[in-house]
Amino acid sequence: DAKTTQPPSMDCAEGRAANLPCNHSTISGNEYVYWYRQIHSQGPQYIIHGLKNNETNEMASLIITEDRKSSTLILPHATLRDTAVYYCIVRVTGGGLLRGNTPLVFGKGTRLSVIA
Amino acid sequence: DTEVTQTPKHLVMGMTNKKSLKCEQHMGHRAMYWYKQKAKKPPELMFVYSYEKLSINESVPSRFSPECPNSSLLNLHLHALQPEDSALYLCASSQESGQGGYTFGSGTRLTVV
Repeated sequence: DAKTTQPPSMDCAEGRAANLPCNHSTISGNEYVYWYRQIHSQGPQYIIHGLKNNETNEMASLIITEDRKSSTLILPHATLRDTAVYYCIVRVTGGGLLRGNTPLVFGKGTRLSVIA
Repeated sequence: DTEVTQTPKHLVMGMTNKKSLKCEQHMGHRAMYWYKQKAKKPPELMFVYSYEKLSINESVPSRFSPECPNSSLLNLHLHALQPEDSALYLCASSQESGQGGYTFGSGTRLTVV
């Protein structure tokens, strides 16, 4: 029973912004939105996470709608090395595994292809 | 040290063999995880360890036996595997709270013949 819905694939021109959408309409008040990516033949890589405010780090920006039912991951200037599968995951964190914290469970993700 | 190291990177084993996968981290993380990933599929959670104790077993067959001998090491012992167990096995670690994200190793690619 997937908690998130993502498009299976997207293309983006190199140098342009890549905007990856995620729907999580049943998100609970204590669930965070996490984004990971997996480049071919590597382990998944943490990108960013947020609860309700927009977040930015050196890799990406995360925009969460006011009702928290959807979010967008933005890679501001996509490069060929950003070609990967991007996973949007909602989960409870902060309280510890023994106190309701949920482990990371992956959905199908979005395969982003950056094209030269 | 901000890495999770998995050994070996590749492993071929027969169905009657016993082998072990190893995972090591020195980030002080007290939660460690095993995932299995088949080709073109997302990683699937197998086991979760919290403070060196098994806290989650996602109904994994007993031919997979995890072990956490100390806070830095996580092993996965393999015995009597089937060809369908061939996959990429990923190890990860995190703060026990889960905050800050998981750090994944690059995986062990296992082939059962």
